[in-house]
Amino acid sequence: NAGVTQTPKFQVLKTGQSMTLQCAQDMNHNSMYWYRQDPGMGLRLIYYSASEGTTDKGEVPNGYNVSRLNKREFSLRLESAAPSQTSVYFCAGGARDRHSPLHFGNGTRLTVT
Amino acid sequence: SQQGEEDPQALSIQEGENATMNCSYKTSINNLQWYRQNSGRGLVHLILIRSNEREKHSGRLRVTLDTSKKSSSLLITASRAADTASYFCATDAGGNNRLAFGKGNQVVVIP
Repeated sequence: NAGVTQTPKFQVLKTGQSMTLQCAQDMNHNSMYWYRQDPGMGLRLIYYSASEGTTDKGEVPNGYNVSRLNKREFSLRLESAAPSQTSVYFCAGGARDRHSPLHFGNGTRLTVT
Repeated sequence: SQQGEEDPQALSIQEGENATMNCSYKTSINNLQWYRQNSGRGLVHLILIRSNEREKHSGRLRVTLDTSKKSSSLLITASRAADTASYFCATDAGGNNRLAFGKGNQVVVIP
């Protein structure tokens, strides 16, 4: 049972390059989320998808786009990477029920030079 | 968005001792959750306490919630070296189960 799987695990980009972070879950979650984690900042919500076919901005959406490809997959795209986007990115899945926990992937560590 | 804020930020204890962490938040919540993160890994859910609950237990974990003070505490009893991790509180105040996380507590348990 894989849970929430993120690829790649590590990535180095040059400023201006683009890339897509992939996330897939096999837990039948309706909702999926993208967070970034920076030292001393905790986790901040970038985008989320409450259900297949819908996406909404979170706290820090600038510079990112997302696609909820189907119920299982939720990708995060950086169109033109900037050094400020150097971070660890976490994908999570959860039920729509407000009293359900989130299940996280193991993260993608991204460095933008 | 609201943010949980844990206190203290870093804690170093001997194996067998208890570890207590606190979290405060700013607005009304539906629930408060605690997560653990081991180095280089994703967050793992530990326990959820609803806004109408005051105390909850799960194994060696005890969580309290004081909505009048907008604060919560996580107690880990009889700590083990394997409890070495960062611990985050998160609050759910909006719809769609969006969580706002605190900055985290780093706990080191010395064998």
